[in-house]
Amino acid sequence: AQSVTQLGSHVSVSEGALVLLRCNYSSSVPPYLFWYVQYPNQGLQLLLKYTSAATLVKGINGFEAEFKKSETSFHLTKPSAHMSDAAEYFCAVSAMDTGRRALTFGSGTRLQVQP
Amino acid sequence: KAGVTQTPRYLIKTRGQQVTLSCSPISGHRSVSWYQQTPGQGLQFLFEYFSETQRNKGNFPGRFSGRQFSNSRSEMNVSTLELGDSALYLCASSFRSADVSYQETQYFGPGTRLLVL
Repeated sequence: AQSVTQLGSHVSVSEGALVLLRCNYSSSVPPYLFWYVQYPNQGLQLLLKYTSAATLVKGINGFEAEFKKSETSFHLTKPSAHMSDAAEYFCAVSAMDTGRRALTFGSGTRLQVQP
Repeated sequence: KAGVTQTPRYLIKTRGQQVTLSCSPISGHRSVSWYQQTPGQGLQFLFEYFSETQRNKGNFPGRFSGRQFSNSRSEMNVSTLELGDSALYLCASSFRSADVSYQETQYFGPGTRLLVL
């Protein structure tokens, strides 16, 4: 079965600083990986996803993530944080090993952006 | 194209009651999945419906059930509500292609926030 670990439940950065949100996965088969963002009182919005086409994936709002098989990681980065990036971010994995088509989510990382 | 819609957005119920939540997927999407989000357990998969049939199920008791209609709209029902059922219930839709369904994006609605008193 697959699982996702997000290191750091809260991350605080200054506006303009680098954003790095960590995600490590566990899967016995090649995984598909997703990053979603959730703003207060809203649902989840897809930022980007990895489907094995390219290891460096670019998403919306200037975010990108790199799939590293050797490290079983899929960390999310953004070169320069903006106040509007303050939200909760979820890493998720989808894999065929369980035969169950469902997203398995990490526990989330709340990003705070200081002015 | 309109996004996933969920009704109602907020709901207050008392223990022992039952509740029905509704989800309308993006036009053309055939699969609807339900997730429960709580501060303690995070986001957990409830079940998926496709072609009016439950295809996958998470680890939830039988009090949680659902159905899907011919127009792909889905409802979720929780019977005999418990305090621990208080959560944000999220619905997600996708097209569900036969060969790439595991890598398809699931598009989420705004959720229904259920409070059980």
